[in-house]
Amino acid sequence: NAGVMQNPRHLVRRRGQEARLRCSPMKGHSHVYWYRQLPEEGLKFMVYLQKENIIDESGMPKERFSAEFPKEGPSILRIQQVVRGDSAAYFCASSPSGISGNTIYFGEGSWLTVV
Amino acid sequence: TQLLEQSPQFLSIQEGENLTVYCNSSSVFSSLQWYRQEPGEGPVLLVTVVTGGEVKKLKRLTFQFGDARKDSSLHITAAQPGDTGLYLCAYGSSNTGKLIFGQGTTLQVKP
Repeated sequence: NAGVMQNPRHLVRRRGQEARLRCSPMKGHSHVYWYRQLPEEGLKFMVYLQKENIIDESGMPKERFSAEFPKEGPSILRIQQVVRGDSAAYFCASSPSGISGNTIYFGEGSWLTVV
Repeated sequence: TQLLEQSPQFLSIQEGENLTVYCNSSSVFSSLQWYRQEPGEGPVLLVTVVTGGEVKKLKRLTFQFGDARKDSSLHITAAQPGDTGLYLCAYGSSNTGKLIFGQGTTLQVKP
């Protein structure tokens, strides 16, 4: 089985542009999580989605950030009007269910650089 | 949200040395997980500890869960350059399965 696939791996955007990060979960996984990691820091939870539903977006900034996981296609994390502080690695993870204790599998990340 | 404090934040040692990294909290957890993240990659699960006092071994890595289930440690014996990376502890939310991570310990093992 292919693992969690993220693209693009690296993205450069100018301040004010939009960034779209995509995540295809592992086959058979219907639960997707997005995390953000600043340099030399741990991962910070952003949002948890199931197909067509946002379950927990408590870690998502209230403005400019949105996420979706449509019935068909990958999950997308969208950042509008990017600022330099958005520069970070964004990791997607998936699991077969949302039960604590289930192993979740991480993608290799998308590195966003805002210039 | 309960906090996980990891120490030390950075560690640079020579190949062959032993080391221990710690993950502490004032809260009780049903389980804790340890991940390793190499540069440019996503975190990879190393182990899950569930029972207070539990010890798990993974080759040269020894993981321990505190008796009170508030803390955990990772001990590496005879470290190798391939052990270099960011070591993260995390706990899972019982409701959603989301993970809350500590800030990590960056380990550098010099040949």
